[in-house]
Amino acid sequence: GAGVSQSPSNKVTEKGKDVELRCDPISGHTALYWYRQSLGQGLEFLIYFQGNSAPDKSGLPSDRFSAERTGGSVSTLTIQRTQQEDSAVYLCASSLKGTSEYEQYFGPGTRLTVT
Amino acid sequence: TQLLEQSPQFLSIQEGENLTVYCNSSSVFSSLQWYRQEPGEGPVLLVTVVTGGEVKKLKRLTFQFGDARKDSSLHITAAQPGDTGLYLCAGGSHSGYALNFGKGTSLLVTP
Repeated sequence: GAGVSQSPSNKVTEKGKDVELRCDPISGHTALYWYRQSLGQGLEFLIYFQGNSAPDKSGLPSDRFSAERTGGSVSTLTIQRTQQEDSAVYLCASSLKGTSEYEQYFGPGTRLTVT
Repeated sequence: TQLLEQSPQFLSIQEGENLTVYCNSSSVFSSLQWYRQEPGEGPVLLVTVVTGGEVKKLKRLTFQFGDARKDSSLHITAAQPGDTGLYLCAGGSHSGYALNFGKGTSLLVTP
């Protein structure tokens, strides 16, 4: 079956512009996660969805970041007024259920470059 | 945040050599996971270790979970160029769902 897909694969944007990143999880997976991977920083947890609800938004770095999930499936991560420090690879993962004992399957990521 | 420290950060070896990479923490984890990530792709789960002292083997890869469940190691025997990649360890967080990742060990195996 299809894995986690993300689009676009690459995004170059000018500082101050808004961007939307999309994640299509594996069908039937109730849990969805967004992580950010910056050079030399490892993977940083951003937000977790269980169904359409986001019980944990604690990892979002600022109020310029928001995310939503609709129909228990597709999720969109929006970054408003992008800054150069937002440049990173944004990874989406999904799992069958929302506990760490369930394997998280990662998408290929969206590489965001803010110029 | 439960921190996971990985070492070495970079490793360049020749085909056929053995190597060990380490994942250490001051915190106890209920489980630790090892992932491999290749350029342009997301991390792929290799193994999950759950029991203190547990050893798991995956072909030429041997994973060990420390007795106190605070550390783990990955040993690769007779490395191949196909083993090249970023090796990440991850542990469950207090939240019970998000993973805390180490910064990874970047491995390059040259023919």
